[in-house]
Amino acid sequence: SAVISQKPSRDICQRGTSLTIQCQVDSQVTMMFWYRQQPGQSLTLIATANQGSEATYESGFVIDKFPISRPNLTFSTLTVSNMSPEDSSIYLCSVAPGSRGNEQYFGPGTRLTVT
Amino acid sequence: GQSLEQPSEVTAVEGAIVQINCTYQTSGFYGLSWYQQHDGGAPTFLSYNGLDGLEETGRFSSFLSRSDSYGYLLLQELQMKDSASYFCAVTTGGFKTIFGAGTRLFVKA
Repeated sequence: SAVISQKPSRDICQRGTSLTIQCQVDSQVTMMFWYRQQPGQSLTLIATANQGSEATYESGFVIDKFPISRPNLTFSTLTVSNMSPEDSSIYLCSVAPGSRGNEQYFGPGTRLTVT
Repeated sequence: GQSLEQPSEVTAVEGAIVQINCTYQTSGFYGLSWYQQHDGGAPTFLSYNGLDGLEETGRFSSFLSRSDSYGYLLLQELQMKDSASYFCAVTTGGFKTIFGAGTRLFVKA
């Protein structure tokens, strides 16, 4: 397993601004993922961030809007750029210590509200 | 397209057994996982099936039939603390995981 922390836990931001979310893991892991979840809804994968390579974005998510950094095996950041109220959501990072991503461990999430 | 289907809600009484089904249609399949999420909390990993059959972990069991694109999560000896949302998730090629919409389980006394 892995212990994951996220900062900030919540934030209220003005539209047009950007927020960077940090994800810290207590052990080295290759695969890290960023998800978005509306309260009461499913999890939607934004991107996969593996150390040493560019992040892989899912359909509907682009690097200009959600730039990701993965400088080492224990840390990653997700930036939500030029925010609009539609970006209000819970953002979660997860890691997969195994080989295929089938067993993931999630951070506590960042609850973002854009006004 | 890719889709996972699971019931939106299930209600059961304390001490009972409940089964949450999941059918999937995905391009690429490595395995089926289950996650539990309490209100306001993060999803927590429960179980994984890569091969057909039953996996048991304490009060929870999970089953997979790859030929039927079907799996289920079985919760035994239900407790009030089991009230939560349960998500099935398929790991596809490229280590991508697709989550179902979730099943909200209500456990009554």
